Amino acid sequence: EAQVTQNPRYLITVTGKKLTVTCSQNMNHEYMSWYRQDPGLGLRQIYYSMNVEVTDKGDVPEGYKVSRKEKRNFPLILESPSPNQTSLYFCASSYSSSARNEQYFGPGTRLTVT
Amino acid sequence: DQQVKQNSPSLSVQEGRISILNCDYTNSMFDYFLWYKKYPAEGPTFLISISSIKDKNEDGRFTVFLNKSAKHLSLHIVPSQPGDSAVYFCAAKADFGNEKLTFGTGTRLTIIP
Repeated sequence: EAQVTQNPRYLITVTGKKLTVTCSQNMNHEYMSWYRQDPGLGLRQIYYSMNVEVTDKGDVPEGYKVSRKEKRNFPLILESPSPNQTSLYFCASSYSSSARNEQYFGPGTRLTVT
Repeated sequence: DQQVKQNSPSLSVQEGRISILNCDYTNSMFDYFLWYKKYPAEGPTFLISISSIKDKNEDGRFTVFLNKSAKHLSLHIVPSQPGDSAVYFCAAKADFGNEKLTFGTGTRLTIIP
């Protein structure tokens, strides 16, 4: 089954404790992206990747890192999480970054930073 | 600066009637528009899209209309069914090859049986 998976689905952590949210897709997609969803703000892009070893900032990259060592994986790293990073996170992928390709989303990771 | 706006946070429609969800945008560089549907505890799923060279795209019960001069698009669902109850996000993209999806804030649609 074609899908985007994220782990963990739920995470409660404390300020400053490094964490990684994994994202994996099995569709051989070139383009991957991370979004966060906050009330009243919709989904905002954090980082995206056009292909292996090619990443770039989205709208809200501060406090996040990403890497793309393999085509299928695109982990999101919070080196020193803070309470304002409490949010619902979605990973997405598409065949390419062309406008005509819709993005497929993972199920989401709900992160709470206390 | 919200470039894609969905001004109705919620909408309730009787089953069998037409649901109309609206979306406005401000960035004239956007030329491709998508609607996503989201159920609780799931990620958004693609519903329908439209290119700026068209003013209408239809897929079964779902039709999207684009009024480029007014920078407005709408999603029509006819007839509405209980399974259509979800949050609907409008998204827009500029065709530069690596541009992100810019999302609206979503409209929660509730279909009343």
